[in-house]
Amino acid sequence: DTAVSQTPKYLVTQMGNDKSIKCEQNLGHDTMYWYKQDSKKFLKIMFSYNNKELIINETVPNRFSPKSPDKAHLNLHINSLELGDSAVYFCASSQAGDSTYEKLFFGSGTQLSVL
Amino acid sequence: GESVGLHLPTLSVQEGDNSIINCAYSNSASDYFIWYKQESGKGPQFIIDIRSNMDKRQGQRVTVLLNKTVKHLSLQIAATQPGDSAVYFCAESGGSYIPTFGRGTSLIVHP
Repeated sequence: DTAVSQTPKYLVTQMGNDKSIKCEQNLGHDTMYWYKQDSKKFLKIMFSYNNKELIINETVPNRFSPKSPDKAHLNLHINSLELGDSAVYFCASSQAGDSTYEKLFFGSGTQLSVL
Repeated sequence: GESVGLHLPTLSVQEGDNSIINCAYSNSASDYFIWYKQESGKGPQFIIDIRSNMDKRQGQRVTVLLNKTVKHLSLQIAATQPGDSAVYFCAESGGSYIPTFGRGTSLIVHP
């Protein structure tokens, strides 16, 4: 059983389009995250979300928005895609999110290519 | 600003050798550190962690050392195997509980 699963694995789209990436975790965790990994492998936090609060990295454009229908899902919506959005996007989860000592469990990533 | 970084972006070793991957951090408020391993085409996987009240922690073939005086973290892998080839990240948690990742080191193990 995959603990954190995200779909699609690959996403190729044109500039200006709107797309979504889905993420589900079956670990019973309270907090989910979205990270962006660039071509140099740098992992940058985009969002952190639990049932109490959404924490947004202020550098993330407002074209990106997380949607959480329930605590097992955190989808990422991207409007008006730009070339610079091309990257690998990782979903992750952690148990509580209210402690300093959080281990993250990652999905296998979605490689987004904007043409 | 505060940052987590790595000294060496690529490390090549022979199978059977010991590997040491280093990480420097600058946030003095950080009190929890984690090493992750990312294999090609996969997401990062937890390897080992250490809290700031410790300076050493051992796992299976891996040891993490923490030197708070110089804000330095290292991951030692004993008897490195081809399956250890991956990108390794250190991450820190400090005032925010959201882990901040360093740049990553690519470990290449030659048979």
